Amino acid sequence: GAGVSQTPSNKVTEKGKYVELRCDPISGHTALYWYRQSLGQGPEFLIYFQGTGAADDSGLPNDRFFAVRPEGSVSTLKIQRTERGDSAVYLCASSLGYNQPQHFGDGTRLSIL
Amino acid sequence: QKEVEQNSGPLSVPEGAIASLNCTYSDRVSQSFFWYRQYSGKSPELIMSIYSNGDKEDGRFTAQLNKASQYVSLLIRDSQPSDSATYLCAVTAGNMLTFGGGTRLMVKP
Repeated sequence: GAGVSQTPSNKVTEKGKYVELRCDPISGHTALYWYRQSLGQGPEFLIYFQGTGAADDSGLPNDRFFAVRPEGSVSTLKIQRTERGDSAVYLCASSLGYNQPQHFGDGTRLSIL
Repeated sequence: QKEVEQNSGPLSVPEGAIASLNCTYSDRVSQSFFWYRQYSGKSPELIMSIYSNGDKEDGRFTAQLNKASQYVSLLIRDSQPSDSATYLCAVTAGNMLTFGGGTRLMVKP
């Protein structure tokens, strides 16, 4: 079956621009997660959705970062006024629910020039 | 601060040998424990999950959990060059995963 799908696979933009990253989870998975991974490090949690609501957004680094999941399926991570430090691979994962194994998409490699 | 610690490696083993990867975690309320394999430039791939103390075997992989010692390990038997990757340990108390920095494994032919 189809796995977690993320688009775009690569995004290059200039400092100060706005970007949107999209995640389409595995069908039937109610839980959706965003992580960020810098080179040589493990992924770091950003935000978790259960259904349409953000159940835990404690990992978002600041108010430039925002995510939505309006219909409980596809999610969009939005970054305003991008900075060079935002450059990383943004990973999306989904699971059947609380405490269940998470399956990752291929990620979006974001480069801020 | 919840922490998951792994030796960054590289851990180098000859083909056919057993590779032993270790992980410690700080949060005693952690309930679920996972091992992910990540090839260079690719996303993490789930290879093992373990929820209770003891061993869990799946093919060439064995995960071991000791909650009293806050320790998780992954054994890879009959290591193959295709096992060369970074192995990430991840723990959760329910929703978000906390990852270690990963151990790079190199299996030499």
